[in-house]
Amino acid sequence: DTEVTQTPKHLVMGMTNKKSLKCEQHMGHRAMYWYKQKAKKPPELMFVYSYEKLSINESVPSRFSPECPNSSLLNLHLHALQPEDSALYLCASSHAYIDTEAFFGQGTRLTVV
Amino acid sequence: GENVEQHPSTLSVQEGDSAVIKCTYSDSASNYFPWYKQELGKRPQLIIDIRSNVGEKKDQRIAVTLNKTAKHFSLHITETQPEDSAVYFCAAIQETSGSRLTFGEGTQLTVNP
Repeated sequence: DTEVTQTPKHLVMGMTNKKSLKCEQHMGHRAMYWYKQKAKKPPELMFVYSYEKLSINESVPSRFSPECPNSSLLNLHLHALQPEDSALYLCASSHAYIDTEAFFGQGTRLTVV
Repeated sequence: GENVEQHPSTLSVQEGDSAVIKCTYSDSASNYFPWYKQELGKRPQLIIDIRSNVGEKKDQRIAVTLNKTAKHFSLHITETQPEDSAVYFCAAIQETSGSRLTFGEGTQLTVNP
């Protein structure tokens, strides 16, 4: 299994809503990442979890809250988002954190209305 | 921090021609250089990578070259096919704890039949 699975694929939410994005991998990878990608731009790193501990938070606003319940799962909790937060949210994983040879999920296309 | 510049931003070729995408990096300590291909609406996928102890690497129609002295690396695609049409991102990282993958801005490659 070389897949990183993200759900949902698409999400439309209002600015007062609370929602969660989910990511799962069964490759035994111990590093997991959240990236945000705007159209025609490269992915921007948001968070890194290494061995289920938050290693990097790239100064992301607190309306984004990551969670790593176990080594296979990664969540991103969303609350009080703004329209400019609309983007493709990509989860990725790698064997260990030095961020090489990352496998990306298909992403969640998020629209904030 | 690392800065990666990628050129050209768009590239259009005829099927069967070769395509070359070039990247330069600023941090001489960077030692791992992956290339990602992202088709429209899909995830970035690693297509080839190179480490700083190697000058060239080839995988079928795709090759990457690295010039450490000049701090640039290039992706070469030969005998292009319409399915090669995608956005290609180069990236660079120093493989030590705490590093982040720095992406170029991307190249939209279009292969015309």
